[in-house]
Amino acid sequence: DTGVSQNPRHKITKRGQNVTFRCDPISEHNRLYWYRQTLGQGPEFLTYFQNEAQLEKSRLLSDRFSAERPKGSFSTLEIQRTEQGDSAMYLCASSFSGGLSYEQYFGPGTRLTVT
Amino acid sequence: KQEVTQIPAALSVPEGENLVLNCSFTDSAIYNLQWFRQDPGKGLTSLLLIQSSQREQTSGRLNASLDKSSGRSTLYIAASQPGDSATYLCAGRGSGNTGKLIFGQGTTLQVKP
Repeated sequence: DTGVSQNPRHKITKRGQNVTFRCDPISEHNRLYWYRQTLGQGPEFLTYFQNEAQLEKSRLLSDRFSAERPKGSFSTLEIQRTEQGDSAMYLCASSFSGGLSYEQYFGPGTRLTVT
Repeated sequence: KQEVTQIPAALSVPEGENLVLNCSFTDSAIYNLQWFRQDPGKGLTSLLLIQSSQREQTSGRLNASLDKSSGRSTLYIAASQPGDSATYLCAGRGSGNTGKLIFGQGTTLQVKP
């Protein structure tokens, strides 16, 4: 499968615990994006990388959230001291910035439940 | 600030009907607009992308249009099938050096056999 992959697909954690999600983009894509989606809503942008550089962050990305893309390939999103309000689907997408379209392709998402 | 709105929130149609989903955006300085499909509990599947310089794109039974001056895009689905049942999301990418997509809340479509 050459699409965007995300692991784990589901994560249940207790409030106050730290969690880390991984995203592997389409191999030739140099941009990687993170979004969060709550039930019944459209995805909300969190942050994106071009290669290793984190170019944009949303106000939604509080101090408890950190994202990395150390070698310009896969990315991790860590949430520290999870809260019940963090329960959501976390979506990763990738695109290629060399063309005109910047069309984003999404992974299957990681469903986080904080109890 | 770009805002994207989709109306209606839900739509139910009989199989075989042609239908139109609406998307409106507030900032006409849009770089492109993407339509996605999302099945329950799943990720997003890209359906069509329209560049700001284009008026429409077609893929099979789907046709998407873009009118920047009125801040509107439509997704036309011809001869709907039960397998088309899903949530359809539109998202705009702003001009300038931004990568983010701004999404609408989606239209949940049910096609009844």
